[in-house]
Amino acid sequence: AAGVIQSPRHLIKEKRETATLKCYPIPRHDTVYWYQQGPGQDPQFLISFYEKMQSDKGSIPDRFSAQQFSDYHSELNMSSLELGDSALYFCASSTNRQGPTGTQYFGPGTRLTVL
Amino acid sequence: SQQGEEDPQALSIQEGENATMNCSYKTSINNLQWYRQNSGRGLVHLILIRSNEREKHSGRLRVTLDTSKKSSSLLITASRAADTASYFCATDDRGSTLGRLYFGRGTQLTVWP
Repeated sequence: AAGVIQSPRHLIKEKRETATLKCYPIPRHDTVYWYQQGPGQDPQFLISFYEKMQSDKGSIPDRFSAQQFSDYHSELNMSSLELGDSALYFCASSTNRQGPTGTQYFGPGTRLTVL
Repeated sequence: SQQGEEDPQALSIQEGENATMNCSYKTSINNLQWYRQNSGRGLVHLILIRSNEREKHSGRLRVTLDTSKKSSSLLITASRAADTASYFCATDDRGSTLGRLYFGRGTQLTVWP
């Protein structure tokens, strides 16, 4: 079965650079979520999109922005990178057509290292 | 934080033994999900239990939910070395239809051959 695809899997950037992370949800899933997991931490919700509109926003820095495109893939744009942005970034997708909060399926994550 | 603590933070057992992990949460929920994560890798969905369910089974996994105590447990029976991983519980918020998940800090399970 198709899973959530994230690219790139690994990314190394310098401080103050920008990074773009991509997420391709499971086909026919209408909702995408982004989470950040710091070293030794639990995943923290950043932002979500339902049917290409931002649906919820968590602890996402103003330096970060995201969008969902017409083909339902999503991109997380991160600017002015800081050392503390080094983390695993997960994308998850679900379908909420039958009601809220169904199973969220996670991608393999993008490991971002900021030097 | 919506989530309380997961208990224990680390668990070390021998193959064949059972492993029990607990998590607590603070607010009312629609459902609770358990995930597994191998070291630094992706989160694999294990099981979802709805707020109106008390127990659910999937293979060697058994999950219970006590909404009155706002707690859940994950039991892995007849554990294998390959079960070594971190296990997270994640809840939503019953007061919201937006679906964001709140994760506990996880239990690091080590199963020795």
